[in-house]
Amino acid sequence: DADVTQTPRNRITKTGKRIMLECSQTKGHDRMYWYRQDPGLGLRLIYYSFDVKDINKGEISDGYSVSRQAQAKFSLSLESAIPNQTALYFCATSWAGTGELFFGEGSRLTVL
Amino acid sequence: KNEVEQSPQNLTAQEGEFITINCSYSVGISALHWLQQHPGGGIVSLFMLSSGKKKHGRLIATINIQEKHSSLHITASHPRDSAVYICAVNSGGSNYKLTFGKGTLLTVNP
Repeated sequence: DADVTQTPRNRITKTGKRIMLECSQTKGHDRMYWYRQDPGLGLRLIYYSFDVKDINKGEISDGYSVSRQAQAKFSLSLESAIPNQTALYFCATSWAGTGELFFGEGSRLTVL
Repeated sequence: KNEVEQSPQNLTAQEGEFITINCSYSVGISALHWLQQHPGGGIVSLFMLSSGKKKHGRLIATINIQEKHSSLHITASHPRDSAVYICAVNSGGSNYKLTFGKGTLLTVNP
């Protein structure tokens, strides 16, 4: 089993729908991140969390919200999806001690 | 703002060739990451380094802090090395936010 698991792996939805992408990890890391990847652009940080009570906006947080339900779970929500949120979304974890990143397999979201 | 530039953007090689991918950044950093992304796949961390050189199998990563430059080398390249290689830097501070390059697409032909 993967150390960082994302669900769903693929999702097609319509404009205006609410979508949740879930991430769970078995590495015991304190830090979790949500990134977005678009063709021709680098990965961009949406939100990050350094522990359950610490949630921070990244560089492109508008239109997104997150929930850190437990140390192992970090969910990303799109309250009202729009087509320009079509992208590949990655969850990642790290431990403060080393900083090495561990990524999930990605969730491909298409908003029609 | 820290900019991260990778070169080349695309690289095609024959199996067995020595590969070099470059990464330059504009401000001081505390660490640099090299990541690998296979087509349709997830992202794997290859190296994290803040000075000198690291080696893992056929992969070697070097960094020159003074010149704000890092290189990723692949010796005896193989078709399974075909992937996008991404450089990312941490500009320091306690929040550990990374700035990512746009990636280098490597294709190794048999």
